[in-house]
This record gives sequence, C-alpha cells and structure tokens, in this order.
Amino acid sequence: EAEVAQSPRYKITEKSQAVAFWCDPISGHATLYWYRQILGQGPELLVQFQDESVVDDSQLPKDRFSAERLKGVDSTLKIQPAELGDSAMYLCASSQDRENTEAFFGQGTRLTVV
Amino acid sequence: AQKVTQAQTEISVVEKEDVTLDCVYETRDTTYYLFWYKQPPSGELVFLIRRNSFDEQNEISGRYSWNFQKSTSSFNFTITASQVVDSAVYFCALFRRALTFGSGTRLQVQP
Repeated sequence: EAEVAQSPRYKITEKSQAVAFWCDPISGHATLYWYRQILGQGPELLVQFQDESVVDDSQLPKDRFSAERLKGVDSTLKIQPAELGDSAMYLCASSQDRENTEAFFGQGTRLTVV
Repeated sequence: AQKVTQAQTEISVVEKEDVTLDCVYETRDTTYYLFWYKQPPSGELVFLIRRNSFDEQNEISGRYSWNFQKSTSSFNFTITASQVVDSAVYFCALFRRALTFGSGTRLQVQP
C-alpha cells in the first residue's frame, strides 16, 4: 500500500544548530502539507505545496524555517537555527490535489531540541 | 477563520463502557468537510471518517458512530463498548483547503 515516507523518525539536536526533515509523498500526489504538532496539541499547518509552488505558508516562521519542493515530488523542511520551542512532531501529508480532502499522513519526525 | 474545539482534554472509562467525544467547529464556509483521526502512542494519524457539510446523516461503522448536527455546529464521535485498544488521542478536524485540527481528546480505556 502506498504511503507517505518521512525521515528521520527521531532527531535530537542542540539549540542553534540546523536540522532538516524529508518527506516523500504518495506517487502522483500534487499537494503536500507540513504540519507541526506540539506535545498535547493538535497539528498545525506550516506550509502547503501544490506541485512545486507554495500555496500557503502564512503560519511558517520564515525567520528560521524554510521549505522546498523543488521538483514537485519530495520535500524538505529546514530549521536554522533550532530553538528549544521547536521541539515537536513534524508531520507530512499528501493528497491528490488541493480540492481533494483525503490527506494521507506520514509517521512523522519527532524533534527534540536540547 | 476556522476553528475546531474539543473541550474534553482527557476521558477515562472502563472497558465496555460507551464514550462520546465532543467536537464543535466554526466556519463561514457553506461547503466544508469534517474529519475524525485517531493518534495512537506511536504517533501516526489514522483516518476514521470524513463527512461533507451537505450530508447530515449519522454514520455507524462497527462500534463507532458519528453524529453531525449542522444546527449546533457539532460532529460528535461515540465509541460503543470501548476496548483497551481504543486508548489514543482523537482529533476532530475541519477541511477547507487544508485541515484545521482541534486540540484533541485523550481517551484512556481501563481494563
């Protein structure tokens, strides 16, 4: 069964260091989402791509976060420099297109900043 | 702006009890979709159900049932005869271009 792949599953980094997460969506899915889930809260959208274009990054802290999906397939989310408050689960999801409500989630990357 | 409220932070029941998880949403859109997801301790989000705003029929799937009431902007989820394996965090979400999640309800089912 097709699934959204994320790596790494776990990441521990020191504050002020750079960290990157990778997501490979289900083949053929044009829409890709990155969500951040702080412990005890629901996931919050960070950025949404349609193919290689960003369609919503209004909640992305652009001073330290960046996201790219250069070829419209896999995507990388980067944090530089990491802060203690960035400790969270980072979830990637994909769907066939923006109007398709069926989003498939990866297993997430759990980031701990020390 | 869209908002989803799950007022119950944590619920604890004994196995075989019925339990209802509440969800209230806010949106100005007339077309939208509502979801429930389950998040076990392993962390992945497991899709449970999707309803569109034009379909207010209640739905039953095995021990799970959902009550969608547009008049009160609620989409409640009931587990009948709960089991230990139902222990997880449950999220209600609203879709319009992307998912807006509630803060989740942690359900603990004691044996």
